[in-house]
Amino acid sequence: DAGVIQSPRHEVTEMGQEVTLRCKPISGHNSLFWYRQTMMRGLELLIYFNNNVPIDDSGMPEDRFSAKMPNASFSTLKIQPSEPRDSAVYFCASRQRLAGGSSYEQYFGPGTRLTVT
Amino acid sequence: AQSVAQPEDQVNVAEGNPLTVKCTYSVSGNPYLFWYVQYPNRGLQFLLKYITGDNLVKGSYGFEAEFNKSQTSFHLKKPSALVSDSALYFCAVRGGTDSWGKLQFGAGTQVVVTP
Repeated sequence: DAGVIQSPRHEVTEMGQEVTLRCKPISGHNSLFWYRQTMMRGLELLIYFNNNVPIDDSGMPEDRFSAKMPNASFSTLKIQPSEPRDSAVYFCASRQRLAGGSSYEQYFGPGTRLTVT
Repeated sequence: AQSVAQPEDQVNVAEGNPLTVKCTYSVSGNPYLFWYVQYPNRGLQFLLKYITGDNLVKGSYGFEAEFNKSQTSFHLKKPSALVSDSALYFCAVRGGTDSWGKLQFGAGTQVVVTP
């Protein structure tokens, strides 16, 4: 398996522009997580999906952030409009969640390094 | 609410010496505990987990961790550190009452292994 795939790996954009980050989870995994990592705040959970349905988006910082999962093999995180403080590394992770809530580990993608100037 | 504390920002150890990275947690119910490692410009890689059973858990790259319920700790250990173990290590916890598998990550501990 190729693991979790994220694109682009690096994104540089100007303030006010729309940014779309993409994630392809591991085939067969039914939970997907979006994280943001910065030096100041560490690793923050933004939103997670189970069976393509958003379960908890309380970590999404502002209405400028939105995430979708139209099918089991694709998710997007969109920032519109982007601001310099959004500069961070954004990670996607996926997991196989069994009925009854059995816990398996999350597998992380390589991340997208976003720089907003 | 669940929380994780990694009390050391950085751990320095000489190659060949034992390595310990500390982690304490607070959760409702029985904990599910994880260790991840992050190399520069890479995503987090899973090392090991404790769900139930033996308190000593063995994982990848020669790492192990010991679950201590009375001390609410899950310290990561390696008997003999390598320079290539230099990386950022994260402890994570999921509370037993959380059915969705949401993890709370610690702030991370930078491990520096010197030759």
